[in-house]
Amino acid sequence: DQQVKQNSPSLSVQEGRISILNCDYTNSMFDYFLWYKKYPAEGPTFLISISSIKDKNEDGRFTVFLNKSAKHLSLHIVPSQPGDSAVYFCAASAREGGGADGLTFGKGTHLIIQP
Amino acid sequence: DSGVTQTPKHLITATGQRVTLRCSPRSGDLSVYWYQQSLDQGLQFLIQYYNGEERAKGNILERFSAQQFPDLHSELNLSSLELGDSALYFCASSDYALNEQFFGPGTRLTVL
Repeated sequence: DQQVKQNSPSLSVQEGRISILNCDYTNSMFDYFLWYKKYPAEGPTFLISISSIKDKNEDGRFTVFLNKSAKHLSLHIVPSQPGDSAVYFCAASAREGGGADGLTFGKGTHLIIQP
Repeated sequence: DSGVTQTPKHLITATGQRVTLRCSPRSGDLSVYWYQQSLDQGLQFLIQYYNGEERAKGNILERFSAQQFPDLHSELNLSSLELGDSALYFCASSDYALNEQFFGPGTRLTVL
């Protein structure tokens, strides 16, 4: 049973526009959420995270929104650039006693930025 | 470059064999995590070590084991290998107080 779901396997966006990647989760114990970006033949690269006590976190062109009641989060990239073309993974953790536990990942969304 | 190193990059072996994958965490990180990425299952958490002690277990098979040494590097041992063990194996590390995990480039294991 998938606890973190990314329902769009791929997404195509024009350069300069906003990219919105979505993620849903089912485990109400998750209290920390992260987005990773992955290029082929490389490991995932950490992008941005959000704690369940917040509903928004911003870092440059990247903003993550969390809607706890809907168990939904989204990653907004504005403006989208060609270098953003990659697979994006949503991940979640249920921290016990603080600290970082193993992450539960979604299956990823392949973002393609069109020139 | 995340600062996490993994060796070897590629490994080809036969069914029934045993292999060891190695990971060096970022300087100062005490936590090491192992993940498996296969085509059908995506990225799955296997096991976590913190400062030499096992801290959490995920979907790790009994044929697999890991350890973290006093210098904080970690090894993942895979034995009695099956075709289905072919996958990318990633190591990640973190400062225990933070939640962001930093991933290495991975080891691609092919079992023939």
